Amino acid sequence: SQQGEEDPQALSIQEGENATMNCSYKTSINNLQWYRQNSGRGLVHLILIRSNEREKHSGRLRVTLDTSKKSSSLLITASRAADTASYFCATALTGANSKLTFGKGITLSVRP
Amino acid sequence: DTAVSQTPKYLVTQMGNDKSIKCEQNLGHDTMYWYKQDSKKFLKIMFSYNNKELIINETVPNRFSPKSPDKAHLNLHINSLELGDSAVYFCASSQGPSPNEQFFGPGTRLTVL
Repeated sequence: SQQGEEDPQALSIQEGENATMNCSYKTSINNLQWYRQNSGRGLVHLILIRSNEREKHSGRLRVTLDTSKKSSSLLITASRAADTASYFCATALTGANSKLTFGKGITLSVRP
Repeated sequence: DTAVSQTPKYLVTQMGNDKSIKCEQNLGHDTMYWYKQDSKKFLKIMFSYNNKELIINETVPNRFSPKSPDKAHLNLHINSLELGDSAVYFCASSQGPSPNEQFFGPGTRLTVL
């Protein structure tokens, strides 16, 4: 089964509100990454958090990682209509040539 | 100045045909990937090459054959196309085979009729 699973599957918020998306996984990881996919486009890397890190920030993005609960969250603060997209978490296991395993994604809609 | 490019963007073909998708990256990365994204947006890795050497080969029908002529190019050839091959195929690249940040191409939407 998939390594990463996001929650909720879909999220609709008003512009200016914060959006919180969660990801759970099953086995120990090397790192966890979040990607954004706009409709009809390729994925864009947002942030990478390593297994020995607990929190990272990048602009309006804040990612946390709880390895004891095998979960991560992505917070987008002060959302904008342009944040409307699908968001994926991807986990990388330890070991050489480790692949990224993606979750099914969360569809975020930000209403103007 | 496109980082990862794929051609064609759209591909519509009949069952049983053979087709190829090309991918090029100008980032100087060593590692390239092919992913398949189905209609439910589930993204699954198919292959990965590092410096022209195959390092990841998921359970993919042998009708799919990747080829890497050099480390900047990774092409995907598909023989005897089936309806279930309809999907969006993404090429990606990263610096090194370890699971670092990956850069994705714009995707190729394959429709098999």
